[in-house]
Amino acid sequence: GDSVTQMEGPVTLSEEAFLTINCTYTATGYPSLFWYVQYPGEGLQLLLKATKADDKGSNKGFEATYRKETTSFHLEKGSVQVSDSAVYFCALNPTSGGGADGLTFGKGTHLIIQP
Amino acid sequence: ETGVTQSPTHLIKTRGQQVTLRCSSQSGHNTVSWYQQALGQGPQFIFQYYREEENGRGNFPPRFSGLQFPNYSSELNVNALELDDSALYLCASRAGGAQETQYFGPGTRLLVL
Repeated sequence: GDSVTQMEGPVTLSEEAFLTINCTYTATGYPSLFWYVQYPGEGLQLLLKATKADDKGSNKGFEATYRKETTSFHLEKGSVQVSDSAVYFCALNPTSGGGADGLTFGKGTHLIIQP
Repeated sequence: ETGVTQSPTHLIKTRGQQVTLRCSSQSGHNTVSWYQQALGQGPQFIFQYYREEENGRGNFPPRFSGLQFPNYSSELNVNALELDDSALYLCASRAGGAQETQYFGPGTRLLVL
């Protein structure tokens, strides 16, 4: 079945450091790919998405490129801030099931940014 | 704010009891999905409703059931609660197909004692 693997956390960085959170997936066909962020005690917020190969999603300084050849969707940010501290989830939505299969999530990566 | 609301925010039940959780989808969204997020884990897909019919289900037993109403709001019912049902339950809504974004509510935190 479909699966998403993302790097284990916690990831601890200093403010203004460069961020990469790795995400790879297994799926048939051409899934849509998403990054969601969850702040403490809250639900999930969409950070960015890409729906086809070579698409780049971007938002709030974060970027991720849909790489079908490596089945990856790594999240990057050039200069992180303390306010970026949260749990980040990579997810896919298979298009082969007509949209009825729900999102498949990775286990999440806890990001801690120190001042 | 996504426009998706859930109630209640927190709930405590005992083993064997039944619980109903509620979700109001974002305006114009006709598809609602429910997810279970255990502590420290990613959300797991429970099921999805489209135009009042369940049209997709994850690996959850039949004691997890749901409804969707004509205004597209939804309920999640769990019978015979078990300790492992303790989790954050998230509702998400979207308009359109699989490529469209699912917008999540803040969740209901259920504790089963």
